[in-house]
Amino acid sequence: NAGVTQTPKFQVLKTGQSMTLQCAQDMNHNSMYWYRQDPGMGLRLIYYSASEGTTDKGEVPNGYNVSRLNKREFSLRLESAAPSQTSVYFCASSRDPLNTEAFFGQGTRLTVV
Amino acid sequence: QQQVKQSPQSLIVQKGGISIINCAYENTAFDYFPWYQQFPGKGPALLIAIRPDVSEKKEGRFTISFNKSAKQFSLHIMDSQPGDSATYFCAALNSGNTPLVFGKGTRLSVIA
Repeated sequence: NAGVTQTPKFQVLKTGQSMTLQCAQDMNHNSMYWYRQDPGMGLRLIYYSASEGTTDKGEVPNGYNVSRLNKREFSLRLESAAPSQTSVYFCASSRDPLNTEAFFGQGTRLTVV
Repeated sequence: QQQVKQSPQSLIVQKGGISIINCAYENTAFDYFPWYQQFPGKGPALLIAIRPDVSEKKEGRFTISFNKSAKQFSLHIMDSQPGDSATYFCAALNSGNTPLVFGKGTRLSVIA
């Protein structure tokens, strides 16, 4: 049982490059989330999808776009990467829309130089 | 505006001691308060959670104390062990309306 799987695990980008972070869950969950984690800042919500077909902005959406491809997959895209987007990105999912327990992936460590 | 304020940022506790981490919130619509535990290189994982209709919840060595009138809740780790060394996050949500919002985290080190 894989749970929440994120790819890639590590990535280095040059300023201005674009990339997509992939996330897939095999728990038949309805809601999915993207958070970023920075030292001393905790986990901040970038975007979320309460259910298939919907997406909403979180606390720090600028510079990002998302796609809820299907019930299993939720991708995060950086169109023009900036050094301020250097962070660890976590995808999470929960069973019911905006319901209690969220299950997290292992994270993607992104460095923008 | 930070919705959940967590303290301290870091904590060092002797093995066998009690670790206490505190959180405060402003939004009275929050109705679920979990604590997440994160080991280095891993994603956060749910440790224990409480709803505001009870003042305390205990699971093994971990206890959440909840004070609704003060809008505060805390995590107590009894008989702290080196294996408890991790980063702990408090969080809150309004079920069905808003996603989890997290505190900034507390790095706990339990030393022998």
